[in-house]
Amino acid sequence: AQSVSQHNHHVILSEAASLELGCNYSYGGTVNLFWYVQYPGQHLQLLLKYFSGDPLVKGIKGFEAEFIKSKFSFNLRKPSVQWSDTAEYFCAVNGNSGTYKYIFGTGTRLKVLA
Amino acid sequence: DVKVTQSSRYLVKRTGEKVFLECVQDMDHENMFWYRQDPGLGLRLIYFSYDVKMKEKGDIPEGYSVSREKKERFSLILESASTNQTSMYLCASSEALTGELFFGEGSRLTVL
Repeated sequence: AQSVSQHNHHVILSEAASLELGCNYSYGGTVNLFWYVQYPGQHLQLLLKYFSGDPLVKGIKGFEAEFIKSKFSFNLRKPSVQWSDTAEYFCAVNGNSGTYKYIFGTGTRLKVLA
Repeated sequence: DVKVTQSSRYLVKRTGEKVFLECVQDMDHENMFWYRQDPGLGLRLIYFSYDVKMKEKGDIPEGYSVSREKKERFSLILESASTNQTSMYLCASSEALTGELFFGEGSRLTVL
């Protein structure tokens, strides 16, 4: 079955700490991978995406993610978090296997302490 | 700036009432989606539409219907609201079925 697993449901970090949020997926065929972010009181928005090419992708606000095909993973990283990164982060996958669907993970709530 | 607008941010309805959630996008996107967001469950697709008057069921269509009479507007209908439909409802649109989703701000529905 197609699925996306986000291992960390809640993460609390101090400012300047490094961040890595795990994402693993199960999806047949070619995949497109996404991280979306939802800041408090705001709509979901795209943080970064991977379609093809360089497996290390850079997004907005200093975030990056690495696609490791052999591990079915697309982990999100940031070297030094800021208080303003407090948000909920969703990993998502869709693909070209004949299905239309985005599959979303259950989300990770990140709280950054000032 | 691209925009997906959901008509109501907060609604409170009673069990059995008919509920309409409206969504309008200004990006001329072919595809529109309705998701339900619940804590610990992520986003679950209710219905989507890839063209005017076309619709497809998502993962949790039971108790919901949709309408897309115009390209820019996609409506979610709860024919007879129930308490287990209390949730945050998110509308989204995309240019391609596998492309970036643009979300509205959400409609938080409480069914008493």
